[in-house]
Amino acid sequence: GAVVSQHPSRVICKSGTSVKIECRSLDFQATTMFWYRQFPKQSLMLMATSNEGSKATYEQGVEKDKFLINHASLTLSTLTVTSAHPEDSSFYICSAQPGLAGGTQYFGPGTRLLVL
Amino acid sequence: SQQGEEDPQALSIQEGENATMNCSYKTSINNLQWYRQNSGRGLVHLILIRSNEREKHSGRLRVTLDTSKKSSSLLITASRAADTASYFCATDGSDSWGKLQFGAGTQVVVTP
Repeated sequence: GAVVSQHPSRVICKSGTSVKIECRSLDFQATTMFWYRQFPKQSLMLMATSNEGSKATYEQGVEKDKFLINHASLTLSTLTVTSAHPEDSSFYICSAQPGLAGGTQYFGPGTRLLVL
Repeated sequence: SQQGEEDPQALSIQEGENATMNCSYKTSINNLQWYRQNSGRGLVHLILIRSNEREKHSGRLRVTLDTSKKSSSLLITASRAADTASYFCATDGSDSWGKLQFGAGTQVVVTP
């Protein structure tokens, strides 16, 4: 089946630093990738849609200057949390969708971010 | 914002019993998907049911969809301890271009 990886799996950083999270589709090409955030014991909240070769589209309330998304190739999207603060601590999950919109999305294993 | 509401929020059953959870949504959809998440892990896709389908099976899983009531159910038959996880429904809205809106999830605990 389709495999999506994320790196790193967990990261601890100091407040004020930036953290980059990678999302890769290992055995398929993904024109579109999605980034979600999940707080403990809560559901996934869509943050943004990452489109290869174009700007990401962000959901309402998500600061695009704080959460920088780059979808440089059909197999890689990156999320950079800039000037991280403790309230950014969360579980970040990406998904990748092969083919056209409306099909199955394949999720990465997630990245746990802890900002001290 | 979350589209789906799921109930129950939590479900505790014994091995061998069936587990049923429900999902309601608000807008028209292209499809509805069910996912499983083990604690601290990513999501595993279980089943996708399209808006023109009413029922779908996959192994011990049975999903129904009632678009008139905007609701879906997931049934896990003959549950096992390994089925312990959180289960989420997610809707792909008719005008959302593939973006998924997740429900709040049902936490299922299966005891041996």
